[in-house]
Amino acid sequence: QSVLTQPPSASGTPGQRVVISCSGSSSNIGRDYVYWYHQLPGTAPKLLIYRNNQRPSGVPDRFSASKSGTSASLAISGLRSEDEADYYCAAWDDSLSGYVFGGGTKVTVL
Amino acid sequence: EVQLVESGGGLVKPGGSLRLSCAASGFTFSNAWMSWVRQAPGKGLEWVGRIRKEGDGGTADHASPVKGRFTISRDDSQNMVYLQMNSLKTEDTAVYYCTTDGYELLSSGFDYWGQGTLVTVSS
Repeated sequence: QSVLTQPPSASGTPGQRVVISCSGSSSNIGRDYVYWYHQLPGTAPKLLIYRNNQRPSGVPDRFSASKSGTSASLAISGLRSEDEADYYCAAWDDSLSGYVFGGGTKVTVL
Repeated sequence: EVQLVESGGGLVKPGGSLRLSCAASGFTFSNAWMSWVRQAPGKGLEWVGRIRKEGDGGTADHASPVKGRFTISRDDSQNMVYLQMNSLKTEDTAVYYCTTDGYELLSSGFDYWGQGTLVTVSS
C-alpha cells in the first residue's frame, strides 16, 4: 500500500486529454513539493515535473501539473502513442522523514 | 552529458551482503546530493535513501525498511556513490537506481537516473 494514492490505470485516444490524480496527506503533499516521473517500458524513470508544476527542459508543454491541498494531478494533453508509460507522483514526507511515491498509473493510448 | 552507471547487482542468499556502486560523470559530483531508488519486479518505485554533499555535512538518510541494514556512502575523489546492503531479505529483490537529488535546482527532484542494477535475494 503506497503512501500516495494514484489510480492504477488511465487511458485515452490520440489527441485526448488524460488526467492522473495523486492523493496524499498533510505530512507530504500538504506541506512539500510534488514531483512526477514517467517510466517507459523497460527503461529507467525520468523526471517529468518538479516543484508541483515546473517542467525540466525538454519536457513538452503537453504535460502540466497542479497541486491543491493534499492532492495533485498531472494532465497530458494531445495524447500520443509515445506517452504510453507508467507515471508516478512523489513527495517528501515529514512524518516518515523520506520520499514517498504513489503506486503508479499505467497510461494506455487506445 | 550526465551519466550514472550502477554496478554490483547479482544473486545473493537471504542474510547475505552486497555493495552497489554508482559511477557519476558529466556534472560536478561533489555538488550533488545523491539518492537510491528501487523497484521490485512488476512493482512501483521506492526510495531507499540519500546522501548529502560534503558541504551540507555528507550525512545519509535511509528509509525505514532498510534502516540499520543498508548504508549509503560517497567518494568524491572517485565520483562514486555506494549502497552497502547487509542482512538482505527476499523483499529487497529489486532493480536499484542511482539518482541525483535536486542537482539542477534546489528541490528539482530526482533529476537524473542511472539504468539500474538488479539485485535478486533468493536461496
